[in-house]
Amino acid sequence: GAGVSQTPSNKVTEKGKYVELRCDPISGHTALYWYRQSLGQGPEFLIYFQGTGAADDSGLPNDRFFAVRPEGSVSTLKIQRTERGDSAVYLCASSLGSGRSNEQFFGPGTRLTVL
Amino acid sequence: AQSVSQHNHHVILSEAASLELGCNYSYGGTVNLFWYVQYPGQHLQLLLKYFSGDPLVKGIKGFEAEFIKSKFSFNLRKPSVQWSDTAEYFCAVSNNAGNMLTFGGGTRLMVKP
Repeated sequence: GAGVSQTPSNKVTEKGKYVELRCDPISGHTALYWYRQSLGQGPEFLIYFQGTGAADDSGLPNDRFFAVRPEGSVSTLKIQRTERGDSAVYLCASSLGSGRSNEQFFGPGTRLTVL
Repeated sequence: AQSVSQHNHHVILSEAASLELGCNYSYGGTVNLFWYVQYPGQHLQLLLKYFSGDPLVKGIKGFEAEFIKSKFSFNLRKPSVQWSDTAEYFCAVSNNAGNMLTFGGGTRLMVKP
């Protein structure tokens, strides 16, 4: 079956612009996660959804970042007033349920470049 | 807060050499430990995981890892690497709820044929 997909694969924007990054989880997966991976570093947790609700958004760096999952499937990560420091690969993962026994499956990521 | 450190950023080995990648974590409670691998041009994928029980965990492709609680370590090993093991390896930890992973900085392994 299809894995986690993310669009676009690459996004180049200018400082101050608004961007949306999309994640399509594996069908039937109720849990969805966003991570950010800066150059030379490991992924950093941003936010986790169980169903439609954000169960943990403690990793969002500031209020310019927001994510939604209105129907419990596709999720959109929204970044307002982008800054050069937002440049990174944004990874999405999904799992069948929440909790430690549920493996997180990762998508290919969206590479965001803020000029 | 949890944290993970991986000691080696870059490792270069010849085929058939043995591999050991270091991983240390800090966390006050019960932890779950993972190794993920990212092959060139591919997604992150799970190599192996430890929740409880036997501290020696076997994963895919001949990899194994040993949880040593007293050392807060979860080192990854493989007795004989192949060129196809060239990849970046990430150690990760989650709390008992398992809802967020904290990753180390990664180790980039290059295996020379």
